[in-house]
Parts: sequence; structure tokens; C-alpha cells
Amino acid sequence: NAGVTQTPKFQVLKTGQSMTLQCAQDMNHNSMYWYRQDPGMGLRLIYYSASEGTTDKGEVPNGYNVSRLNKREFSLRLESAAPSQTSVYFCASSRLAGGNEQFFGPGTRLTVL
Amino acid sequence: GENVEQHPSTLSVQEGDSAVIKCTYSDSASNYFPWYKQELGKGPQLIIDIRSNVGEKKDQRIAVTLNKTAKHFSLHITETQPEDSAVYFCAATPRGVWNTGTASKLTFGTGTRLQVTL
Repeated sequence: NAGVTQTPKFQVLKTGQSMTLQCAQDMNHNSMYWYRQDPGMGLRLIYYSASEGTTDKGEVPNGYNVSRLNKREFSLRLESAAPSQTSVYFCASSRLAGGNEQFFGPGTRLTVL
Repeated sequence: GENVEQHPSTLSVQEGDSAVIKCTYSDSASNYFPWYKQELGKGPQLIIDIRSNVGEKKDQRIAVTLNKTAKHFSLHITETQPEDSAVYFCAATPRGVWNTGTASKLTFGTGTRLQVTL
């Protein structure tokens, strides 16, 4: 099993450009999450999907959109990138929502110039 | 919503010594407390977790203690080794039936960079 995979690993964008971060899991998990990690701020939840067909906002959703394409895939879209969105983005999945172990992908390092 | 504070932000210990990282939380409804280890260039990985019906849990050199009255929980690493060097995150959430409110999401602390020196 590959676990949680993310593409791309690195990306540089110019302000105003758009892009989609891809995430897939092969553990048959129901719930998936997108976090951003900034120095000194830990991990902050952007959006999550408790189950296929549902998505909801996390702590810092502004400037992002998500799509739960199917049970395996959960994508994060930046419509008009801003320098404040420079960060490392992690996708995670868990068997169920709430208090269950979350498995994280390797991350995408995004720089917005 | 939940607020998790973590201390210290950096910790340096000599190999073989013990390391302790402390977290406090604000929401009395929180009852699931995981700890994650993040190595350089990788995603966080769960190393131990504790639920509110127990006060302590141990797994080899790692232990976690929970004081629900004081709303704090701690990670203890004994006999530290160089491979323990990493960033450690605590987190908290109410466990159980999922709902779409903020209370059911995992809230992370800001992390502790642990360095184990030879």
C-alpha cells in the first residue's frame, strides 16, 4: 500500500495563478483532510471531508476550494494564489472522522511569488 | 473552539536523557489526545495517543499522561536516542459521533523541535 500520496511535491506560482493539489489514499478511509503548515503555527485545518460526498470548512478555508472526487481522492484548489498561501500543504486520511488516527502524506511545498 | 498550547518550542537533551513535552487544552469536551512525530521533509506520523478514560499510556520508551481536571497532557520519552530528533505535535479533539461543527476536528499544538545530542 502506498498510503497517502500527494502531487506535486514542489510548486512555484506567481500571484494570481491557479493550481490544484492532488491527494489520493489507498487505505479505504472514509475521511480526508487538508492542512497547511507554517513555521511556529503547527498544522491548521483548511478543509475536510467526513465521508464521500461531503466537505466542510476548517480553521483557515479562505482562498481555497476542495473536491472529494471519490472515496480515494480529495483535491485542494487555489483559484488565485497569494503570497500568504506560501506554505507546506499536507493531506491526511482516517478510517472514520473524529478521534481516529490520521495518516499524512509527504506534503507539497508551495511558494507564491 | 479548541485551543491547544504546547511547550517548549525547542528542547535539546543529551542521548540517554529523558525529554518531556507538555500541552494544555481549553475544551473540556476533548477526549482524544494524539501525539505526532514529524521527521525532516516528511508528514507527521502518529506515535501514541490517549483517550480520556485513562490517565497514562506507555509504549516502550514513550509514555503519555493526561490530567483532565487540569486540562493538560504530556509526552515523556526516556533513554533518548539520536533518531528521536524530530518535531513533535500534540493534538486534541472530542471523539465520537461525527458532526459538522468545529468541536469534532483535530486541533494541533504549535510543535516542539527535539534535538538529541551525542
